[in-house]
Amino acid sequence: GAVVSQHPSRVICKSGTSVKIECRSLDFQATTMFWYRQFPKQSLMLMATSNEGSKATYEQGVEKDKFLINHASLTLSTLTVTSAHPEDSSFYICSARDILAPQAETQYFGPGTRLLVL
Amino acid sequence: QKEVEQDPGPLSVPEGAIVSLNCTYSNSAFQYFMWYRQYSRKGPELLMYTYSSGNKEDGRFTAQVDKSSKYISLFIRDSQPSDSATYLCASDRGSTLGRLYFGRGTQLTVWP
Repeated sequence: GAVVSQHPSRVICKSGTSVKIECRSLDFQATTMFWYRQFPKQSLMLMATSNEGSKATYEQGVEKDKFLINHASLTLSTLTVTSAHPEDSSFYICSARDILAPQAETQYFGPGTRLLVL
Repeated sequence: QKEVEQDPGPLSVPEGAIVSLNCTYSNSAFQYFMWYRQYSRKGPELLMYTYSSGNKEDGRFTAQVDKSSKYISLFIRDSQPSDSATYLCASDRGSTLGRLYFGRGTQLTVWP
């Protein structure tokens, strides 16, 4: 089956630093990738939709200057949390859609990245 | 009102029990309905997928959608301790955007 990887799996950083999270589709091409945030015992909250070669579309309330998304290729999207603060600590998960099968069911999720900002 | 509502539980059942997980949704435009399973500190994995109303069975799992009442169900037969996880329902309009709307997730524990 299709595999999506994320790196790093967990990161601890100091307040004010920037953190980059990578999302890769390993065995398929993804025109669209999604970035979610999940707080403990809460559901996934969509942050932004990332399309290869174009600007990301952010959900209402998500600061695009704080959460920079780049989708430079069909297999890689990155999320950079700029000037991270403790309230940005969360579980960040990406998902990718298979370019050859555009239906919703072919959205594959990565294992997530746990970010802790001290 | 959230697009998809789901009781977070927790739900605790003995091994072998039949588990019923449910969600409701508000958007009549939703056409695709999915159940994801998420183990602790892991990403969600697709468990079941249904288009429009009807039932779909896969082994011990049955997904059911009733569009008239906007009700989504997942049944797990002969539940196992390995089924212990959080189950998330999700819906999609079926547009090319592929945007999924998730419920809060129900935490299930199956004890031996």
